[in-house]
Amino acid sequence: GDSVTQMEGPVTLSEEAFLTINCTYTATGYPSLFWYVQYPGEGLQLLLKATKADDKGSNKGFEATYRKETTSFHLEKGSVQVSDSAVYFCALSGNTPLVFGKGTRLSVIA
Amino acid sequence: GAVVSQHPSWVICKSGTSVKIECRSLDFQATTMFWYRQFPKQSLMLMATSNEGSKATYEQGVEKDKFLINHASLTLSTLTVTSAHPEDSSFYICSVETGINQPQHFGDGTRLSIL
Repeated sequence: GDSVTQMEGPVTLSEEAFLTINCTYTATGYPSLFWYVQYPGEGLQLLLKATKADDKGSNKGFEATYRKETTSFHLEKGSVQVSDSAVYFCALSGNTPLVFGKGTRLSVIA
Repeated sequence: GAVVSQHPSWVICKSGTSVKIECRSLDFQATTMFWYRQFPKQSLMLMATSNEGSKATYEQGVEKDKFLINHASLTLSTLTVTSAHPEDSSFYICSVETGINQPQHFGDGTRLSIL
């Protein structure tokens, strides 16, 4: 079945550091890919999405490119802020309801 | 995207009580909603798919009689945890499906604590 593998955290970075959170997937067909963010005590918010190969999703300085050849959708940000501290979930939508990765906790320190 | 309102955000109650959680889609006619459970520092676990006007589809291992789901209208799904016990304490989150291969939109979650 469909699955998402996400790098395990926690990840701790200093403010203005470069962020990469790796995500790879296994799916039949052509899924859509998403990154969600969860701030403490809250539900999930859609951060960005990509619906087909080579699409780049971007929002709030975060980017991720749908790479079909490597089945990856890595999340990147050039300069993180303390306010980016949260848990990030990679997810795919294919033939089944959303399939989530296990989440990566990011802590950004000033 | 759809705006989803979940209520209550936090509930504390005694063991044996039944607790109802509401999930409202404020600006989208939601034929399908989902209910998730999240344990501390873990990912979301899909409990069931809520279908407007029909029975919910439960994931394997989720007790139907324990977690009652009603989706009587296109804007409201409810999850009732019946005869709750401390092991039911968790963070419950609902979401709205807006189309095939489209993102789900999530409520802010309900933290349930059973004493």
